[in-house]
Amino acid sequence: SAVISQKPSRDICQRGTSLTIQCQVDSQVTMMFWYRQQPGQSLTLIATANQGSEATYESGFVIDKFPISRPNLTFSTLTVSNMSPEDSSIYLCSVVTTSTDTQYFGPGTRLTVL
Amino acid sequence: QKEVEQNSGPLSVPEGAIASLNCTYSDRGSQSFFWYRQYSGKSPELIMSIYSNGDKEDGRFTAQLNKASQYVSLLIRDSQPSDSATYLCAVKIGGSYIPTFGRGTSLIVHP
Repeated sequence: SAVISQKPSRDICQRGTSLTIQCQVDSQVTMMFWYRQQPGQSLTLIATANQGSEATYESGFVIDKFPISRPNLTFSTLTVSNMSPEDSSIYLCSVVTTSTDTQYFGPGTRLTVL
Repeated sequence: QKEVEQNSGPLSVPEGAIASLNCTYSDRGSQSFFWYRQYSGKSPELIMSIYSNGDKEDGRFTAQLNKASQYVSLLIRDSQPSDSATYLCAVKIGGSYIPTFGRGTSLIVHP
């Protein structure tokens, strides 16, 4: 398995500001993903974080709103830009390990936008 | 369009009973199947993975896969109140790293 940490664990932000969420994994992983989970809803994939290149975004998500970096095999950041109350959600980092095709999730970042 | 369907519930069972959670999927190319448990306010936690038709048992949990009928189920024997959570089914087609998640079934085990 993989041990994943995320920072911050939660935050309350003002409308129009930006927040960067960090994800650190304890081992090299094949794939890193960012998900959003709104209250009472299932997981929505935002993007796949690609090492050293631009992330691959899912329909409905754009780089200007959710810029993502992945400078190496164990670290990624997601920025939620120009936030509005609709961005209030839990943001989850997820990885697929090199040795298995199993997906693991970080503890999540609970974001509230006022 | 890949779809994974789950009854949202809640499914309510008494303590000690068997809880049966079901999931159907649309893509016949699906090859990997996963069950995650998610407690309220927490992130999903992998419980079981299954790749071949039939049953796979792990402690009180049994995953059942029927590719011909395109369904996968999770049985929880001797259900405990601590099993109360949302259970997410996830399905991956061959060669893909990205699973499709169902919306989850809420399970309530009452004493």
